[in-house]
Formats: sequence, C-alpha cells, structure tokens
Amino acid sequence: EAQVTQNPRYLITVTGKKLTVTCSQNMNHEYMSWYRQDPGLGLRQIYYSMNVEVTDKGDVPEGYKVSRKEKRNFPLILESPSPNQTSLYFCASRQGAVYEQFFGPGTRLTVL
Amino acid sequence: DQQVKQNSPSLSVQEGRISILNCDYTNSMFDYFLWYKKYPAEGPTFLISISSIKDKNEDGRFTVFLNKSAKHLSLHIVPSQPGDSAVYFCAVPHDQGAQKLVFGQGTRLTINP
Repeated sequence: EAQVTQNPRYLITVTGKKLTVTCSQNMNHEYMSWYRQDPGLGLRQIYYSMNVEVTDKGDVPEGYKVSRKEKRNFPLILESPSPNQTSLYFCASRQGAVYEQFFGPGTRLTVL
Repeated sequence: DQQVKQNSPSLSVQEGRISILNCDYTNSMFDYFLWYKKYPAEGPTFLISISSIKDKNEDGRFTVFLNKSAKHLSLHIVPSQPGDSAVYFCAVPHDQGAQKLVFGQGTRLTINP
C-alpha cells in the first residue's frame, strides 16, 4: 500500500530535550516536505526536499532541522524544543512536477 | 509573496444541499490550484485541482471554480453528504514548480442530516 508513515504519532516532551520525528514514504517520490498545523493558521511549510541531499527552508524553519540521506526518509529534528513548537506536524511527499502531495497521518507534539 | 485566505472558519449545511467553500489568493502568477480535505486524526488528502487555463473543473459531486480576475477559488459540493463533514484547505503554489505550497486557514464543513 502506497503511504507516508510518521513516528511517533503522539509525543509529550519537555523544553530543551532533543527529539526526532521520522517520516518515510514507499512511493519512490523525489519531493518531501514538513508542515505544521496550528488553529487559525492552516498548514505552514517548515522545510522541503527536492531530492537526496537537497533541502530548503519553507515559511517557518526556525527551530527545526531536516536531513535527506535516503530518498524514502525525511526526519524532522528539534534540537531544543520550546513550547511554541507544540503543534500538529505532517510529512508529505509527491512525485516530481505533480503538485498533489500525499500526507502522513500526523504527529501531535506537546512541549512542556 | 503569496497569501491565501479562507474567510469562513466554519460552515454548516443541510444534507442534500449545496456546500460552497471560498478561497482568495494574492499572487496569480502560478498555474495550478488545489483543494485538500482533512478528517480528524488523519492527514490531508488531495480532493480536486484546477489549472489556470480553465475556469471550472468537475469531479463527481465536487466542482472547483476559478475566477482569475478576482483571484478567487470556490469549491462546490452537490449534493452534500454527511461523509463530507471535514476541514477543507485550499492550496496555492508560492513559486514555479510548487516547491512551496501555501495553504489557507481551512474551513470546517459540517453536514447536518
């Protein structure tokens, strides 16, 4: 089954404790992206990657890092999480110039 | 810079009637516009899109209209069904190639039986 998976689905952590949210897709898509969803703000793009070893900032990259060492994986790293990063996070992928993206099920992160 | 606005946070419609969701954008340089649907505890799923060379695209009960002069998109659902209850996001490219996609704030649609 074609899908984007994220882990964990739910995470409660404390300020300053480094964490990684994993994202994996099995569709051989070149493009992958991370979004956060906050009430009243819709989905905002954090980082995206056009291919292996090619990443770039979205609209809200501060406080986040990403890496793309393999085509299928695109982890989101929070080196020192803060409460304002409490949010619902989505990973997405798409094939090349096709604009429609496939989204993962989401990771709800709470930073205390 | 691309801004996308969905001015109605919520909409309630009777089953069987038409649902109309609206979306306004600021930068009309780009050539493709999309709608996504999101159920609780799930990721958004692609619903329907429209190319800028068209003013209407229809897929079953869903039709998207594009008014380029007004920089306005609308999604029509006819007839509305209870399973259509979800949050709907419009999405507009920020750049050529849509490396960046800008989403609206979303409209929560509730279909009442």
